This record gives sequence, structure tokens and C-alpha cells, in this order.
Amino acid sequence: GENVEQHPSTLSVQEGDSAVIKCTYSDSASNYFPWYKQELGKRPQLIIDIRSNVGEKKDQRIAVTLNKTAKHFSLHITETQPEDSAVYFCAASSAAGRRALTFGSGTRLQVQP
Amino acid sequence: DGGITQSPKYLFRKEGQNVTLSCEQNLNHDAMYWYRQDPGQGLRLIYYSQIVNDFQKGDIAEGYSVSREKKESFPLTVTSAQKNPTAFYLCASSIVAGELFFGEGSRLTVL
Repeated sequence: GENVEQHPSTLSVQEGDSAVIKCTYSDSASNYFPWYKQELGKRPQLIIDIRSNVGEKKDQRIAVTLNKTAKHFSLHITETQPEDSAVYFCAASSAAGRRALTFGSGTRLQVQP
Repeated sequence: DGGITQSPKYLFRKEGQNVTLSCEQNLNHDAMYWYRQDPGQGLRLIYYSQIVNDFQKGDIAEGYSVSREKKESFPLTVTSAQKNPTAFYLCASSIVAGELFFGEGSRLTVL
């Protein structure tokens, strides 16, 4: 089955700096790669996603890149703000076989004011 | 107001008891999922269902059971066979292969 590895497990940056979180996946049939943000005590919420026919996607301060050959994808947050502090999860799923998301172990991002 | 409703929010169980967590959605989604979240770990898939009257085991199905008799409902039973059930349980729904919408979660504690 699919295995998703996520690094780093914790990340501390200064306000205004950029943050990068990286994930690798094992199943070459995976074609959907979302990123979820979970604030303390709240439910995870989708912040951005990318499908395998696209190499990069941006939405204001966040962007995701996908390298299908290397089977890795990354989340980039620019001009970080204290409200970006949360746990971020990457995930992957395939359109065939098990069509359910497999999540990475999460990255706790702390933005220092 | 559309969304996913999980209940109860907090639940305490004595060893040897079965408990059932409720999950209801009014988003008209075909697919529903149960994930378990432990501190410092990601979300691990317990069971999922992509259509009424059908469901599949996820990565950690042992000690759990589900049913999908209605499109709107996907209850999870934590049985006494689950040796370490204390965790945060998240239900989600989606169109198949689409964005997951999560409920607020149920926190189960074994006394």
C-alpha cells in the first residue's frame, strides 16, 4: 500500500521568513496530493492540493510543487505570519485501487513573532 | 447548515466495553472515512466506504467495526478487542477522490 513520509516533524521560523515542508510517497499510481492544516484542538482543513498532471500550484502565500519522477512533493509558505502556526499534513491517494488518503506524520510549524 | 457532525465529542470507556461513535453528513457525499489520530502521529485510516452497504478496511481496522446502511451515516464501533483505543477519532466525507471534509472529532479515553 501507499506510504507517505513527511519532514521535518517540527519547524520554527521567524515571522516573514519562508517555510518548506517535504513529503515523499511510494505508490507511483498516486495522483492526488492535498495538504491539510490543523490548528490546536480543531479539525484538519484543506489548504491546497495538486494533481499529478500539474507540476506546481500557487494560492497567495502558499504553493505546492510535485516531482512525479522522484515521487516527492513540497509545501512552500512565504512571508509567514503567527497565524500560520499549526500542524500541517501532506497526503496522497490513487484514482485506482484504494481511493482513500494516506497521510504523512505531520509537521508542527511555529512562527515566532 | 451543511457539514459533518460527530458525537459524542468526549467519551469515556471502561475496559471490556464496546462504544459507538456517530458520524452524520448532509453534504450528499458518497464516500465516508474514519481516521484515528494519536499525539505526534498522522491520521491513520481505520475504515472507509465509497458507497452505501459497502466498506473496506484501512490500515488499522483490527478491533473496530463499521456499517453504512444510509448514505448520510457511518458509525464506528470500538470493540473490546481494540487494545489501545484511547485516541482522537476523525470522521470525514468526500466525493470519491475529492477533498476530505472532516468532522470536529471524538476524543475517546479508556478508564
